[in-house]
Amino acid sequence: QQQVKQSPQSLIVQKGGIPIINCAYENTAFDYFPWYQQFPGKGPALLIAIRPDVSEKKEGRFTISFNKSAKQFSLHIMDSQPGDSATYFCAASRYGGATNKLIFGTGTLLAVQP
Amino acid sequence: DVKVTQSSRYLVKRTGEKVFLECVQDMDHENMFWYRQDPGLGLRLIYFSYDVKMKEKGDIPEGYSVSREKKERFSLILESASTNQTSMYLCASGQRVRGYTFGSGTRLTVV
Repeated sequence: QQQVKQSPQSLIVQKGGIPIINCAYENTAFDYFPWYQQFPGKGPALLIAIRPDVSEKKEGRFTISFNKSAKQFSLHIMDSQPGDSATYFCAASRYGGATNKLIFGTGTLLAVQP
Repeated sequence: DVKVTQSSRYLVKRTGEKVFLECVQDMDHENMFWYRQDPGLGLRLIYFSYDVKMKEKGDIPEGYSVSREKKERFSLILESASTNQTSMYLCASGQRVRGYTFGSGTRLTVV
C-alpha cells in the first residue's frame, strides 16, 4: 500500500515557469514532510522540509505549501531554471515510528527547458 | 560533509548468484537504510538498521538480507539473485529531521 501519493510522474516547464508537484498522505500521525532532489547519477538530497503546524515554508526559490485538513502538501519552484531539472521525491514520517523511517512518494521527473 | 560510499557503481550478476552490496558512512550515524529505486515506483525501503547488529524489515524485504557488524558499514545481500532484482540500489544514513545522506547508488543487472 502506498502511504504517500505523488503527482505528476513527469513535468515539463519553460524557464521561469512555476512547476508544482503534489503529494497526499493518509496517516494523520505523520509529523514531518521533507522533499528530496535527485540529479542524474546521484543519490537524493534533502531540499526542504515542513512540519504540519505551519502552512507554508520558503527556502530561496523553493516553497512548500501544506494543507493539514486535506492531508496534502506541494512543492513550488519559483522562477525555475534548467539547473532545477531533476527528480523530486516527497516523503513523510512520524515521530517514534520505526526509527526515523521516511516513506517516499514515487517521484516526479522535472525538465525545465531553456 | 557526510559521505556515504557504495562499493560498486555498476554490477552485472548471473541468476542464482549470491550478491553483496556494501555501504560505508563516515559520520557515526546510528541509522542506515537500503532502498531500491525503480521508475514509477519511487524509493522503496528494503531493510534498515538502527544500531550494530540490529535490523528491521522495510516494505520489500523478500529475497534480501542485511548485515551490520560495524557501525559504519551496512551490507545488503541478495541470497540468490533473480532478474526481478535488477534495479538501482541506494544506501542512506542519517535521521529523518536532519536528513538522510544517500550514496550515489549501485545499478545492478541480473542476467
